[in-house]
Amino acid sequence: NAGVTQTPKFRVLKTGQSMTLLCAQDMNHEYMYWYRQDPGMGLRLIHYSVGEGTTAKGEVPDGYNVSRLKKQNFLLGLESAAPSQTSVYFCASSYLSGAGEAFFGQGTRLTVV
Amino acid sequence: AQKVTQAQTEISVVEKEDVTLDCVYETRDTTYYLFWYKQPPSGELVFLIRRNSFDEQNEISGRYSWNFQKSTSSFNFTITASQVVDSAVYFCALTTIKAAGNKLTFGGGTRVLVKP
Repeated sequence: NAGVTQTPKFRVLKTGQSMTLLCAQDMNHEYMYWYRQDPGMGLRLIHYSVGEGTTAKGEVPDGYNVSRLKKQNFLLGLESAAPSQTSVYFCASSYLSGAGEAFFGQGTRLTVV
Repeated sequence: AQKVTQAQTEISVVEKEDVTLDCVYETRDTTYYLFWYKQPPSGELVFLIRRNSFDEQNEISGRYSWNFQKSTSSFNFTITASQVVDSAVYFCALTTIKAAGNKLTFGGGTRVLVKP
């Protein structure tokens, strides 16, 4: 049972480059999320999705785009990376109802130079 | 809007000491859920506990215990007889029944260092 899987685990980008982070979950969860973790700031929500084909902005959406074409996948894109986007990115998923706990992926450490 | 505050950024203890992590939350909703997650040095986030706003009973799980007090909007976490393996960053989080997508609001985290 894989749970939530993120790829890649590490990446170094040059300023201005683009990339896509992939998140896949095998728990049939409706809700999926992308968070970024920065020192002293906890995890902040970038974008989220409440179901296939839907996306919504979180707390810090600028500079990112997302897509949820399939229920099990949630993609996070950086069109033109900036050093301020250096962070650890976590994907998570949760059940539709009952405010159950979110299940997190292993994280992606992204460095933009 | 929701807010979670973990005032302690780092706590250092010697093994076998007890350690209490503070969590204070803010929300206008009457139905909400509180969580604690552990992030060990390996980096993954591990779910520890969920409480809903209608259940103020304290909970104990092994060496872990949680004290939920609505009167002070606090959900504190105590590790009894700490061990080196407890060294991690601990996050308190909140969601409400009205939060779209059950999205979580996290505190800034408390780093716990347990020295042998």
